[in-house]
Amino acid sequence: QKEVEQNSGPLSVPEGAIASLNCTYSDRGSQSFFWYRQYSGKSPELIMSIYSNGDKEDGRFTAQLNKASQYVSLLIRDSQPSDSATYLCAVDSGGYQKVTFGIGTKLQVIP
Amino acid sequence: DADVTQTPRNRITKTGKRIMLECSQTKGHDRMYWYRQDPGLGLRLIYYSFDVKDINKGEISDGYSVSRQAQAKFSLSLESAIPNQTALYFCATSDLDGRGTGELFFGEGSRLTVL
Repeated sequence: QKEVEQNSGPLSVPEGAIASLNCTYSDRGSQSFFWYRQYSGKSPELIMSIYSNGDKEDGRFTAQLNKASQYVSLLIRDSQPSDSATYLCAVDSGGYQKVTFGIGTKLQVIP
Repeated sequence: DADVTQTPRNRITKTGKRIMLECSQTKGHDRMYWYRQDPGLGLRLIYYSFDVKDINKGEISDGYSVSRQAQAKFSLSLESAIPNQTALYFCATSDLDGRGTGELFFGEGSRLTVL
């Protein structure tokens, strides 16, 4: 079983809608959680990090963490075609900062 | 110029050849990583280094070796390339924040094809 699970998609949403991306992880001791965005043919870039249970908002992005359920999500409000990319969930499970990535969810925002 | 630079960006080689992928960074970070990305498998850690004297195996180190020549340079070698090492390779760096973790900064990637 992979340590970080994501649905590969594609997830298609109309422009202006809310896109909801989900991720589960297996290591209960994990403390740090990240969402990276990767455009086709490009390298991943960090868009959100979250460390505590609850919600963290940054502009149109909201990360949600539920450690009891071992669940992390990313909400993108007012989705734009420029948000079309693959979103990688990443979990740091140890003090040596070995980050494990999910396979990524491909998001398509339809104009 | 990119903060994390990988060379070459694209390489086609034959089975059995020795290949080196190089990474250099100007971010001043101590920590450097090599990842491999395959469709359906995501990013997987090959090797990581927390300083010049520290080298650690990652999830999929078999068939690979690394060298940390300086704080800013971390190279990945395939001693005898095989077709299933065809993939997109990323170098990354990071620094620690107060939580003992930190953002990964990726290079632009090196696409390797082994025929």
